[in-house]
Amino acid sequence: GAVVSQHPSWVICKSGTSVKIECRSLDFQATTMFWYRQFPKQSLMLMATSNEGSKATYEQGVEKDKFLINHASLTLSTLTVTSAHPEDSSFYICSARDTQKPINEQFFGPGTRLTVL
Amino acid sequence: AQSVTQLDSQVPVFEEAPVELRCNYSSSVSVYLFWYVQYPNQGLQLLLKYLSGSTLVKGINGFEAEFNKSQTSFHLRKPSVHISDTAEYFCAVSASGGSYIPTFGRGTSLIVHP
Repeated sequence: GAVVSQHPSWVICKSGTSVKIECRSLDFQATTMFWYRQFPKQSLMLMATSNEGSKATYEQGVEKDKFLINHASLTLSTLTVTSAHPEDSSFYICSARDTQKPINEQFFGPGTRLTVL
Repeated sequence: AQSVTQLDSQVPVFEEAPVELRCNYSSSVSVYLFWYVQYPNQGLQLLLKYLSGSTLVKGINGFEAEFNKSQTSFHLRKPSVHISDTAEYFCAVSASGGSYIPTFGRGTSLIVHP
């Protein structure tokens, strides 16, 4: 149980295009999902907290107009990187909290590798 | 706010040898502590966590960690490593109240040599 999927697992796009990444909780409901960014050989940096049915909460320094987050259902959150540029290339990881389990548990997706040419 | 320091960026070790990955944290409130493992191009998998109770925590894959409040440490240990343990290991801390959003350390790359 507690499986989180991400799609796509990798994507290559041209500079200036937008890319959508999906995060799904497959066997549980997730009121809250998190989006992280990870640079090579670096730790995870929290970008935003996504709550179902409400606006996402962005961490300081993260452009909300650049990284659009939508959490329209209890099993799906999406991250759209708008007008992507090479500096947006990174590994994006989502995680989700199971509404039926203790709040301190997060389950991570496998990540999405974004390369912007 | 909390912070995490993983003292070693890389730990090379031979197969079947013991290993310890060090983690120290800083916090003004009570904390929960976690160790995660990340294999190449994959997400994070929880190895173990400390919430309360016994300070020695056993996790998956033969790993264990000990919470030492006086030294603000949560070091990860395994008595005998395998080649398959080669991965990146992240220590994380969250406040034991509030939003419970963890802060991650920079990670330690465990490299197991045959």
